[in-house]
This record gives sequence, C-alpha cells and structure tokens, in this order.
Amino acid sequence: QKEVEQNSGPLSVPEGAIASLNCTYSDRGSQSFFWYRQYSGKSPELIMSIYSNGDKEDGRFTAQLNKASQYVSLLIRDSQPSDSATYLCAVTRYGQNFVFGPGTRLSVLP
Amino acid sequence: EAGVTQFPSHSVIEKGQTVTLRCDPISGHDNLYWYRRVMGKEIKFLLHFVKESKQDESGMPNNRFLAERTGGTYSTLKVQPAELEDSGVYFCASSPSMGASTEAFFGQGTRLTVV
Repeated sequence: QKEVEQNSGPLSVPEGAIASLNCTYSDRGSQSFFWYRQYSGKSPELIMSIYSNGDKEDGRFTAQLNKASQYVSLLIRDSQPSDSATYLCAVTRYGQNFVFGPGTRLSVLP
Repeated sequence: EAGVTQFPSHSVIEKGQTVTLRCDPISGHDNLYWYRRVMGKEIKFLLHFVKESKQDESGMPNNRFLAERTGGTYSTLKVQPAELEDSGVYFCASSPSMGASTEAFFGQGTRLTVV
C-alpha cells in the first residue's frame, strides 16, 4: 500500500518566519513529488514540483528531496498570513496516479 | 487557457438518487484523474484515464460508481444509487502525456451532499 505521511498540524509560525513542512513516503519507486496548497473550500493549487535529490527554489518556496530517506520537505521563507492554508504532499510514479498525504495546516500569525 | 472545469459545483441529493458529475480537462491533456475528499480525510484516488481508457480504477469504492470518458475528452462520474457515505468533494485533475513533468492541475471540485 502506497502511503504518504504528513503532520496534520496546525503548524503555527509568526509572520516573517520560516515555515517548514515535512512529508515521508513509503513507495521507494516514487519518481515525482509535488506540493499543493489548498485554501479552505478551494481546489488544490500546485506550488512546487521536484524530481531529483537536492533543493529546488522558487521565490519564497524551497522544496527539498532526499530519496534515500524517502523524505520531501517544503520551506516557506518570510511567511505571510496569506500563506495560511493546508499544504498537501503528493507522490507519483510516471504514468500512475498521485498519492496524497493528509495535508498539514499552516497558520501564519500576524 | 481554460483550466480544469467541473460541473456542478455543488449537488445535494437524497439517498438512493443518482448524480452525475462532469469534468472537462485542460485541452490536450491525455491524463484525467478523479479524486475524492471526505470530511476530515485526505484526498483519495478514485481512478485514472489515459485518453478514453481506464488506466487504473483501483480506487473506485464499489460498483455504484461508474466513470466514463467517451472520446477521450470530458469525463463523467455517476453515482447510482447514492449513499450517505458518498458525501464529500470530488476533484478532477488532468495532466499532459506521460513524461518527467507530469504536474496535475485540479478543477474546483464538486461538493456532493447526500441526505
């Protein structure tokens, strides 16, 4: 059974701080890794994708992947109240369905 | 470019009735996925189309659910007869042909309430 695990939170950080979101997965053959942001009542929105070990930066977001440890993380620098949402980690093999984690609720306090 | 669109946005039906959800993927996307999120749970995979073919339907909960994608364009998901536990938000997503960059883009979802 493929599984993706995340801390459900809520994770609370003050405005301007770094938020660190973590995700582990069980399928060692996973090849593609995604972070989605979901505001309450809205659809998931893709914010980062990563396919190889190491760091990938996009603006205030940095995704980190360690396939040996089966671990992927998302760092949000200079957190803003508008970053408050549920962050979903998704994992897939090429051509197969996406397996989602339960999501981590992030609350950025003004 | 239009994104993934779903219809209806909300549906309230009585137990035992039939409901059909529709998804129009992004034009040119061969892959179409249906997912469901019931209250308090994670998003769960239902099934995956590649063009008009069912690639993987291992997530379909039972035979009350029927998905089709005639012609490889839009897809429908029919629930017949609906039960209370079918309530949740049904998401559709699409992605381009298989390759390294296979990000899936989600529709706004259909919130189904069975009463």
